[in-house]
Formats: sequence, C-alpha cells, structure tokens
Amino acid sequence: GESVGLHLPTLSVQEGDNSIINCAYSNSASDYFIWYKQESGKGPQFIIDIRSNMDKRQGQRVTVLLNKTVKHLSLQIAATQPGDSAVYFCAESRRVDADGLTFGKGTHLIIQP
Amino acid sequence: KAGVTQTPRYLIKTRGQQVTLSCSPISGHRSVSWYQQTPGQGLQFLFEYFSETQRNKGNFPGRFSGRQFSNSRSEMNVSTLELGDSALYLCASSPGGNTIYFGEGSWLTVV
Repeated sequence: GESVGLHLPTLSVQEGDNSIINCAYSNSASDYFIWYKQESGKGPQFIIDIRSNMDKRQGQRVTVLLNKTVKHLSLQIAATQPGDSAVYFCAESRRVDADGLTFGKGTHLIIQP
Repeated sequence: KAGVTQTPRYLIKTRGQQVTLSCSPISGHRSVSWYQQTPGQGLQFLFEYFSETQRNKGNFPGRFSGRQFSNSRSEMNVSTLELGDSALYLCASSPGGNTIYFGEGSWLTVV
C-alpha cells in the first residue's frame, strides 16, 4: 500500500531575515528541551538547550524561548544564512526518567537568496 | 575531539536477514543511545546504554537489540529484517546528561 511520509512544515525566509521555528510539546512533566539541526544526509547536530527553570536562552545567532504555560518552544535564528537551510527538530525529556529524547516532527527551513 | 562514529554508513540487506551496526562514542562519553529515523515516523528512541547496561528501551519489538562494551562502544542488532526496518539508524553519545550528540548514521535498506 501507499506509505505516507511525514508532512514537514516548511518555513521559507529571505537570506538575512530572522527566522522563528515553533514547536509544541505535550508532556507537562518534560523539564529539558533541545533544538537540533539536521542537514541532508547528516545526523542531527546540537544547537541549543534550555531547562524548564528558564524561559529564554541565547547562543550565537540563536535564541530559544520556552513557554511552559502553553507548552510551546521556539527557536529564533538571527540574520539567516544559506548554511542555515536544514530540518530543525525540537526534543524534550524528563530528566527523572531519562527515558530518551522525544522528538518533534521537524520543520524544514529554506533560505531564499 | 572526534565525534560519534558509526559503521557502516550504507548497507543493503534482504528480508529475513539480520544486521549489526556499530557505534564509537565521543571519547569519555559513557552513555550511548540509538534512534531510528524514517520519513513516516520521524526520530524514535530505540534504547540507551550506560556502563554496559541497558538503562532505557523504546517501544520496538524484540528483534531490535543492542549491547555496550567496556570501552563504551556499542552495537545494535536487528534480526529477521522486514521491509519497514529500512531507515537511518542514529547513534548518539552523552557524557551522562540529557544532551546527546549524534553520529552521521547508518542507512539501512531492506529489499
């Protein structure tokens, strides 16, 4: 029968613009969140993480925002570059259980020249 | 410091066969976990090993197994391969916390 692949949300932005990638998580017990970037043919690459006792964390050109009230996570990328084109995944875990990361479906970020 | 190394990178197997995939973690990392990535299901947790002991296991059938050696290297095995086992198998290592670092993966095609 026909196999149905994941329909990845796609975000297309102009080079130099800021990008915001969103992620909703379901487990209110999750207390640790990570963003990964996966380029075609490669494994996921760690970008930035945040613990539940924080609501914002900044890295180099990236900022992660956490809203525990609505169980929402976002990744902001400043001044996007062609090398930012990739699929971005959010992941969550509960440190107490250490039962592996639960990954979101991913968002495909496309940078337009 | 070298990253997570997985071998082989690509392989083709026939239905009913078994396959063994290898993973060398980042030096000093004692935790190794395995994930399966498919277009249909995304990234799914298989299992995690720490100090040669399986600490956690995802929701996969018993055909999927793994082990870890005293030098922290890990292998995973899939027996009686099915077409649906075609996927990218990712190994990740961690020094012990929740942040895990992935290898490039092993692409398995079952025909």
